[in-house]
Amino acid sequence: EVQLVESGGGLVQPGGSLRLSCAASGFTFNSYSMSWVRQAPGKGLEWVANINQDAGEKYYVDSVKGRFTISRDNAKNSLYLQMNSLRAEDTSVYYCARELRFFDWGHHYSLDYWGQGILVTVSS
Amino acid sequence: SSELTQDPAVSVALGQTVTITCQGDSLKTYYASWYQQKPGQAPVLVIYGKNNRPSGIPDRFSGSSSGNTASLTVTGAQAEDEADYYCNSRDSSGNHWVFGGGTKLTVL
Repeated sequence: EVQLVESGGGLVQPGGSLRLSCAASGFTFNSYSMSWVRQAPGKGLEWVANINQDAGEKYYVDSVKGRFTISRDNAKNSLYLQMNSLRAEDTSVYYCARELRFFDWGHHYSLDYWGQGILVTVSS
Repeated sequence: SSELTQDPAVSVALGQTVTITCQGDSLKTYYASWYQQKPGQAPVLVIYGKNNRPSGIPDRFSGSSSGNTASLTVTGAQAEDEADYYCNSRDSSGNHWVFGGGTKLTVL
């Protein structure tokens, strides 16, 4: 059974830092790209960052570039999100998600498994 | 990057059929995926690709696409289908993800 379990959330002051972790199990972790997606209270889903299987490619939404860093440790089956210079608008539930890649007259993608999410609150 | 547009809210009578749509330029290149999210829960993938349902998703959920528009159809909506539904796809660059704003489905 695929499982993704986030940890590391909590309350942090503006300008502070936090590191989220996502522990993966039930699948071959190093065969999949992974993403972080967040959801502000009462709002929709927003993709934050993703990383490919060997961490050679990383991409970020513009609003977190230069502040957040995505990484992974394939030996530990873990995904991370280092969040620095946090702002009130970063307050969200953060989800890790597995990326499914499939071929159908070209490469296509989906997010097929999600963790339960972890709340990050940025407030003084 | 690109945007995906969804109607904010849709309603359907119990047992009837409803279609939720998603529009965006990226859908000319990439299939949309559809996610169901109930209050306090993580999103769950319900449709991906041309019209693929993950294991455990009822066959009353189906997907289709044409041009820049993707559609999620619920045939014979049940009370438990009341939820927020989000579409997403890779953006035009192929490296980022974009989400629609979500559609709140109410089953009357």
